[in-house]
Amino acid sequence: RKEVEQDPGPFNVPEGATVAFNCTYSNSASQSFFWYRQDCRKEPKLLMSVYSSGNEDGRFTAQLNRASQYISLLIRDSKLSDSATYLCVVTTDSWGKFQFGAGTQVVVTP
Amino acid sequence: DTEVTQTPKHLVMGMTNKKSLKCEQHMGHRAMYWYKQKAKKPPELMFVYSYEKLSINESVPSRFSPECPNSSLLNLHLHALQPEDSALYLCASSRASGTSVSSTDTQYFGPGTRLTVL
Repeated sequence: RKEVEQDPGPFNVPEGATVAFNCTYSNSASQSFFWYRQDCRKEPKLLMSVYSSGNEDGRFTAQLNRASQYISLLIRDSKLSDSATYLCVVTTDSWGKFQFGAGTQVVVTP
Repeated sequence: DTEVTQTPKHLVMGMTNKKSLKCEQHMGHRAMYWYKQKAKKPPELMFVYSYEKLSINESVPSRFSPECPNSSLLNLHLHALQPEDSALYLCASSRASGTSVSSTDTQYFGPGTRLTVL
């Protein structure tokens, strides 16, 4: 079983709609959680860190469920520019090695 | 400023060539990383430098040789590569708390070098 698993998608989302997807992790000792977005042929860019209490940044909301070992990302009022691959990142080692999920592709259509 | 720069953007090399990739950051970060990313796959960690010392080598073949000349610079020397080494090579940096990297440190990625080995 992979340490971090994501639905690869693609999630085809009409502009203005809401989309949500999860990422599950296998190690209950995981310590930090992040969402990165990666555009085609570009580098990953930090979207947001995920905190135990959940956090929101504009149209983006991230949640952490430690009991069920998953994090989620919700995008409201989707824009065409939200089309990207969203990478889930979990750290488990004390030094913070990034464990990447395979990514979830989101395609926002007009 | 959360910028990590990498040069060159693109590199084509033969299997007998020697080349180097360069990475630079001026955020005062003390941890720097090299990743390899193949198409439609997530980045794979290659090396970690913490306070200019190599702390992690993820069993990378010796044809890849990292170097950290100072706290702002990270190089990856390439020699006798194989066509399967063609990929996007990403550099990243993070703050590193105290004397070592912390599990809460966010990593910032450079734009990458797209390498093609013929």
